[in-house]
Amino acid sequence: TQLLEQSPQFLSIQEGENLTVYCNSSSVFSSLQWYRQEPGEGPVLLVTVVTGGEVKKLKRLTFQFGDARKDSSLHITAAQTGDTGLYLCAGALNTGRRALTFGSGTRLQVQP
Amino acid sequence: DAGITQSPRHKVTETGTPVTLRCHQTENHRYMYWYRQDPGHGLRLIHYSYGVKDTDKGEVSDGYSVSRSKTEDFLLTLESATSSQTSVYFCAISESHPGLAGLSLYNEQFFGPGTRLTVL
Repeated sequence: TQLLEQSPQFLSIQEGENLTVYCNSSSVFSSLQWYRQEPGEGPVLLVTVVTGGEVKKLKRLTFQFGDARKDSSLHITAAQTGDTGLYLCAGALNTGRRALTFGSGTRLQVQP
Repeated sequence: DAGITQSPRHKVTETGTPVTLRCHQTENHRYMYWYRQDPGHGLRLIHYSYGVKDTDKGEVSDGYSVSRSKTEDFLLTLESATSSQTSVYFCAISESHPGLAGLSLYNEQFFGPGTRLTVL
């Protein structure tokens, strides 16, 4: 059982559409990060959210951390083909252990 | 981009042979990690290091060992490779950002390019 559940697992949309990806857990995280990974490469950090209820915007990407710090969402407005990739959420548990727990990922395909 | 390299980038080996993967960083970051990535599982932590000669097990450590004799190098060894260890292996580095009472608020990780290992 994954500590962090991501949904949907796969998403195929047309360019210009909006989408939301969810990351849920029953555990409380001290912080949560979103990464994007392209084929043949390592994940690249997009954002870190730390405070419950926090909203961060990165151009057309909006990230939200749940009030209880158990869930997060990533919303993309007017998707572009360059947004295609694997999106991973990762959470840090407040255990003093310097390790992240990753979700299984959402694979996004944006069609032209 | 963080200076992280992994070697080799691709390797094909046979069941029962030892394999060592190398991660090298030029950022002088304290923390280093080894993950494996398999379809449907995301990234799973194998081992990590919080300093020279200081390591700890992750969630899928069986069959793997690590060593860190220098800040810049973190080695992952498969003592006797099995087909179930066919995977893509990623190294990551980070520096944690302490929060209140010294607890780590977050540790943004920077990943290497990965090593594709096939065990026949």
